Amino acid sequence: DTEVTQTPKHLVMGMTNKKSLKCEQHMGHRAMYWYKQKAKKPPELMFVYSYEKLSINESVPSRFSPECPNSSLLNLHLHALQPEDSALYLCASSQDGTGNGGELFFGEGSRLTVL
Amino acid sequence: GQNIDQPTEMTATEGAIVQINCTYQTSGFNGLFWYQQHAGEAPTFLSYNVLDGLEEKGRFSSFLSRSKGYSYLLLKELQMKDSASYLCAVSGNQGGKLIFGQGTELSVKP
Repeated sequence: DTEVTQTPKHLVMGMTNKKSLKCEQHMGHRAMYWYKQKAKKPPELMFVYSYEKLSINESVPSRFSPECPNSSLLNLHLHALQPEDSALYLCASSQDGTGNGGELFFGEGSRLTVL
Repeated sequence: GQNIDQPTEMTATEGAIVQINCTYQTSGFNGLFWYQQHAGEAPTFLSYNVLDGLEEKGRFSSFLSRSKGYSYLLLKELQMKDSASYLCAVSGNQGGKLIFGQGTELSVKP
């Protein structure tokens, strides 16, 4: 299994809603990442989990809350989002648990629209 | 500061060769990656260079010069399906943080 699986693929939510994005990998990778990507822009790093501990938070607003329940799962909890938060949210994993980048395997992404 | 530069757009002809350049200035260096991203899809890994020189993988090759802060991705025998955005990314000294360039949108014409 060489896949990173993300659900849902599409999500539309209002500014008062609470929703979650989910990511799963079964490659035994020890680092997992959340990236945000706007149209025609490169991915922007949001969070890095290394060995299930949050190692990088790129000054992301608190309305985004990551969670790593175990080494295979990564969630992103969303609450009180703004329309400008509409984007493609990419989950990635890497074998290198020290967090030195390494080859990132990306999921298909969750396309979020905030109304 | 940290900066990665690559051309915004390139156009090439089917069957030809194209070279996409990337220059970088980063705090520390733990490797340079090239990713391909088709519109609406996730990035997929193409190559990784950590030592100077050329890495060849089928129709794709990637070159690195650490002293010059320079890399290129070479695509041979271009096919229409190679039309995509090509992202140069550097792993610096902040563990886990991959810094992406803006991406080069390659259009392959018949």
